[in-house]
Formats: sequence, structure tokens, C-alpha cells
Amino acid sequence: ETGVTQTPRHLVMGMTNKKSLKCEQHLGHNAMYWYKQSAKKPLELMFVYNFKEQTENNSVPSRFSPECPNSSHLFLHLHTLQPEDSALYLCASSQAGQSNQPQHFGDGTRLSIL
Amino acid sequence: EDQVTQSPEALRLQEGESSSLNCSYTVSGLRGLFWYRQDPGKGPEFLFTLYSAGEEKEKERLKATLTKKESFLHITAPKPEDSATYLCAVQNMDSSYKLIFGSGTRLLVRP
Repeated sequence: ETGVTQTPRHLVMGMTNKKSLKCEQHLGHNAMYWYKQSAKKPLELMFVYNFKEQTENNSVPSRFSPECPNSSHLFLHLHTLQPEDSALYLCASSQAGQSNQPQHFGDGTRLSIL
Repeated sequence: EDQVTQSPEALRLQEGESSSLNCSYTVSGLRGLFWYRQDPGKGPEFLFTLYSAGEEKEKERLKATLTKKESFLHITAPKPEDSATYLCAVQNMDSSYKLIFGSGTRLLVRP
């Protein structure tokens, strides 16, 4: 596997379910990110992990709970979501600490809340 | 507040018809400006990083340029496979990782 892989690619869940999104990067990077992409809106940064430490929480509701067990894996735990949470959730990684290094994205999880 | 505005929102071109996409930005100190391409059902794919005004970068039919207030993505003689959404993002000098994205330009190139 190369690059950034996300599973599952599609997820349908009810408002009372609990599910997790998984991201794995094979690029040797030390920073990982969760973004939310809604139709016709810019990508919204949700969380940043740098060397496994959370360095940014962009005012995200507590129903989204990130976990970064090591620099290659990132999870987003979901519970009691709302219909407006339906979106494409993208994971990215980069080599933080080196100026202007681009972030590399996975193909996302398309989440639908019933 | 850092801000990125892309125009037009959507662009339809005939194959071979050159054009430009615009990315206007406001940032207190620019660390870098990034262009990405996003195909339907896929994540953004990195294209270019521009660091300072006057810089240009090219890749196949694409050329990105940067001024102190905006960046252009020039598409020369586009092909249908260039159809995608093009995203622009800026990084502030205060952050080594945070990107501020625009809403993108959806490009459709008809054969």
C-alpha cells in the first residue's frame, strides 16, 4: 500500500449509532489531519496531530472524537451524529516542521446520517 | 482573518480552449500557496506549491503563478481528462501545518 488509505469508503449510520473511521499513511510523515468536506463549501480542518499529540481542535463538537495511537494511524470515532454531519471526511498527512511540505490526502469516507 | 476566494465557481471549456482560474487570498504572512486537483469520489491530489510573488511552476498543460494578492492556474489547450475541481489553499507563516482552502473551481472540458 502507498499513500494515504481510508476505510470504509462509504458509511451509512443512524443518529444513535457508534462507528469509527480509519486512516493509515505509508509516507513516513509525522503529522496527520482530519478534514470535513461538504457540498460547495471549503475543506474544514477538524483536528491535527503532530507526533501523536493533538495540536489543534477546530471547535469540533464532542460527538467527533479523534485518536492517534501512532504517527501512521488516525481514527475518528463517531457517536450520536446529526444529519448535518453527512459529508466527505478526508484524512491527510504531511511532514510537519519542514516548511511548505504539502499535505497528501486519502480518498475519504462518504458518511451519510439517516 | 486569513481568507481564500476562488473564481469562477464553475468553468466549461471546449477541448483546446485555454483559460485561467483565479485564487485571491488574504493572509497576514504567506508561508506557501498550494494548488490541488480533486476528481469526483477522490481526495485532493497535490499539484504545486508557490512560495513568493513572481514564482511560476509548470506541469504538463498547467502553469501556476503567484502575486502578492492572487494566484492563477493557467490551463493551456486543455483535454477532457483535465476536468476536475481545482482547489487553492494558503498556509500562514504562523503555522507549519494549517491550510485555509477556497471553495474550488469545477472545470469541465468538452471534447
